[in-house]
Amino acid sequence: QTVVTQEPSFSVSPGGTVTLTCGLDSDSVSTNYYPSWYQQTPGQAPRTLIYATNIRSSGVPDRFSGSILGNKAALTITGTQTDDESDYYCALYVGRGISVFGGGTKLTVL
Amino acid sequence: EVQLLESGGGLVQPGGSLRLSCAASGFIFGTYAMSWVRQAPGKGLEWVSVISDRGHSTYYADSVKGRFTISRDNSKNTLYLQINSLRAEDTAIYYCAKCPYPSTFYLGGPWGQGTLVSVSS
Repeated sequence: QTVVTQEPSFSVSPGGTVTLTCGLDSDSVSTNYYPSWYQQTPGQAPRTLIYATNIRSSGVPDRFSGSILGNKAALTITGTQTDDESDYYCALYVGRGISVFGGGTKLTVL
Repeated sequence: EVQLLESGGGLVQPGGSLRLSCAASGFIFGTYAMSWVRQAPGKGLEWVSVISDRGHSTYYADSVKGRFTISRDNSKNTLYLQINSLRAEDTAIYYCAKCPYPSTFYLGGPWGQGTLVSVSS
């Protein structure tokens, strides 16, 4: 069973930069896992931010960027705004049609 | 603009069945794989199933295999999820999501607003 790991929580100051990561318990994350990132605020559907590692979804500000850092996928938010306070989820494609989500990171902006 | 509209959720008793629908518009539906993802109350996201563009290939999470069936009708631009033998742990909001590129199964396209399935006696 594949386990995708994310930081449970993170804090950042307004205007600051934060990097959230997405790892695998049994392997290094590479572009072959087509990492994607989602933002979800309470009561709302998830919104796709990044897919295929670093492609921003339509309408997503360029403050959000995706990459591979070391052996993990990463979502970096620069110039963080109070509206960015949300839950962030990553997903990895592990092959044979199957995708797996991480447990999510609760980002606090204060 | 891509639009995905789920329907068919509701309150059902344990052991019961439901069929969820996802009406798609704004893109050539029959050229993209489509997924279902669910979220239990207060919990994270869980990938459930994906179906290929023409419906010939389907894949499921182990937690739903044998009880859920994904299908699609490309003439109606509609995705379905038949859920049988419902359990309390199937209580969740069910979202449909478009895969971002033709002939790919990985996630990354837009999502619908979801439909709530509640399993309780």
